[in-house]
Amino acid sequence: AQSVTQLDSQVPVFEEAPVELRCNYSSSVSVYLFWYVQYPNQGLQLLLKYLSGSTLVKGINGFEAEFNKSQTSFHLRKPSVHISDTAEYFCAVRRSGGFKTIFGAGTRLFVKA
Amino acid sequence: EPEVTQTPSHQVTQMGQEVILRCVPISNHLYFYWYRQILGQKVEFLVSFYNNEISEKSEIFDDQFSVERPDGSNFTLKIRSTKLEDSAMYFCASSVGDSSNQPQHFGDGTRLSIL
Repeated sequence: AQSVTQLDSQVPVFEEAPVELRCNYSSSVSVYLFWYVQYPNQGLQLLLKYLSGSTLVKGINGFEAEFNKSQTSFHLRKPSVHISDTAEYFCAVRRSGGFKTIFGAGTRLFVKA
Repeated sequence: EPEVTQTPSHQVTQMGQEVILRCVPISNHLYFYWYRQILGQKVEFLVSFYNNEISEKSEIFDDQFSVERPDGSNFTLKIRSTKLEDSAMYFCASSVGDSSNQPQHFGDGTRLSIL
């Protein structure tokens, strides 16, 4: 079975500062990794995905994430955040060949002026 | 950009009643899913559907739940004999092609409140 752990439930940060949202996963089989963002009263929007190849993946809104197989991590980063980045961020995993996406508990990013 | 649309945005139902949540997936997508998020908890997988059959379901998806694609565009989740603990946000999602490496696109959700 797969599982996802997001180590921080809330991350407050000042505008224009860098941010890293941490995600660790566990799986005994090959997986695909995703980050989703949820703005208030909205659905889940895909930020980026890791399927294979380069371990550094770039997504929308200036976000990027690095897949580290040895540390089973997929941390999300942005070098300079905006007020509009305030939202809940979910790390997710799906095993190769599977249909079910397993989500982490989410990290609430709060960007302050 | 095409979207997954869900109706209604908020559904209030008396305990014991049946409820149907509706979704219109993205038109060229072939795989359909339902997830739920109880307030303050994780997003949980319920079921996936392909070629008019359930392809995978979780332990949450028991006989109380059913899914259907009644026509070429809608995908529904029916919950029979609703319980208080069914109160949650229900998300529909769809994906194109081989689902294991294609991202799932989510709707904005239906908030179900059981009274």
